[in-house]
Amino acid sequence: GQQLNQSPQSMFIQEGEDVSMNCTSSSIFNTWLWYKQDPGEGPVLLIALYKAGELTSNGRLTAQFGITRKDSFLNISASIPSDVGIYFCAGQLGTSGSRLTFGEGTQLTVNP
Amino acid sequence: GAVVSQHPSRVICKSGTSVKIECRSLDFQATTMFWYRQFPKQSLMLMATSNEGSKATYEQGVEKDKFLINHASLTLSTLTVTSAHPEDSSFYICSASFWGRGTEAFFGQGTRLTVV
Repeated sequence: GQQLNQSPQSMFIQEGEDVSMNCTSSSIFNTWLWYKQDPGEGPVLLIALYKAGELTSNGRLTAQFGITRKDSFLNISASIPSDVGIYFCAGQLGTSGSRLTFGEGTQLTVNP
Repeated sequence: GAVVSQHPSRVICKSGTSVKIECRSLDFQATTMFWYRQFPKQSLMLMATSNEGSKATYEQGVEKDKFLINHASLTLSTLTVTSAHPEDSSFYICSASFWGRGTEAFFGQGTRLTVV
């Protein structure tokens, strides 16, 4: 299926640094979701965005739904070692129960 | 809330045998469940979408006779990999969503299938 363009593909940062990653699409979405996946586990929902322009925080995480509805970013402030993992964005066009389109993922490594 | 439980977490089977993976929504009724396959260092690839009481909709290139999906109740969907071969070895993940919560999907823990 269609893939979102997620960047960067990987990041290596020092503990305490801020992180930013983003996703762009050639088509619009009605919902943007950000997930984190640890090795050998399923993705865990971090933030859900439902309106264009919406800015939502979850602890040290902040995500925004782009005005054009074709992009979204996720920021992590003051990173800690447990932030290590793969972060995926996902776009959804329809209502509840419709399929998600996933980005390729951003592998985050945090050095203590 | 919104917990999805997947079982087993790991399974090793012999080539030619069939394996069943269960996906349960523990605290909500899942109107739709999704099955994904994930290769190492890659994103999730949607295999099929299942709605309770109806036949699953398979993505292009996914063999429906190979990957049997049953969604008999609002809390349980199963994926059966029939006549498994080593190339079927992968990480399989289910997700579930329901009306009234919003549009986000919640994922199971995944199943690591190894066919020897």
